[in-house]
Amino acid sequence: KAGVTQTPRYLIKTRGQQVTLSCSPISGHRSVSWYQQTPGQGLQFLFEYFSETQRNKGNFPGRFSGRQFSNSRSEMNVSTLELGDSALYLCASSIRRQGDGYTFGSGTRLTVV
Amino acid sequence: AQSVTQLDSQVPVFEEAPVELRCNYSSSVSVYLFWYVQYPNQGLQLLLKYLSGSTLVKGINGFEAEFNKSQTSFHLRKPSVHISDTAEYFCAVSDRDGYGQNFVFGPGTRLSVLP
Repeated sequence: KAGVTQTPRYLIKTRGQQVTLSCSPISGHRSVSWYQQTPGQGLQFLFEYFSETQRNKGNFPGRFSGRQFSNSRSEMNVSTLELGDSALYLCASSIRRQGDGYTFGSGTRLTVV
Repeated sequence: AQSVTQLDSQVPVFEEAPVELRCNYSSSVSVYLFWYVQYPNQGLQLLLKYLSGSTLVKGINGFEAEFNKSQTSFHLRKPSVHISDTAEYFCAVSDRDGYGQNFVFGPGTRLSVLP
C-alpha cells in the first residue's frame, strides 16, 4: 500500500513569505503529526491532527499552523517566514493504537533565503 | 515526561565489524521503546520496537535491541555492519498514550560504516 506522501519535496522561499506543505497519510490512518528537523535542534514535534481536530501542539509560535481534511490529508502553514524556519519538515501518520508508533514521509526540505 | 539520551553523536565503524548504538531513557511510567533509521534525504523508518515481553527484540536489516529496565537502556546492536547501514539512528520513547508530546525522540547517532 502507498506510504505517507509529502509534497513538495523541496521548496525555496524568501523571508517574510508564507508556505503551505501537504501530507497524505497511509490509507486508514486518521492521525497525522508534523515534525521539524534541524541539525541543531533535532526532531521537534509541531502538532498532531486526528479526525480533523488538533489533538496535540508543540512549543512553536503561532506562525505555524495546520489543518486536516475529512480524507485525513493534512496541510501545515508557516507565515512570515524567518531564516530559522529552514528545516526538513516531516509528516508522520498513525492509526493511533498503543505501541504502533509512526510511519514517516520523506519530508519537505524548506530553505528560507 | 519522558526523555531520551543517545550518548554517541557519531559512531564510525569498519565494514563487517559489530556495532552498538546506545540509548538511555528516563520516565516515571511504563514505556514503549523504538529505534528508527533515517537515510540521507529520507524520512524515518521503523527498525524495531519494544512493547512488552521478551527483552531482546529483533528488527529489520539484522538489527536487534535489548531492553534493560534496571539500567533504563535500549541499546541497538548489529553483529556485522554493511556500507549500506550508514545512516542516522534515532531512539524514541513513548508512554502508554504514546503520541504527540508523549512520543519523544533522542538527538540521533550518525553511524558511518567505513570500507
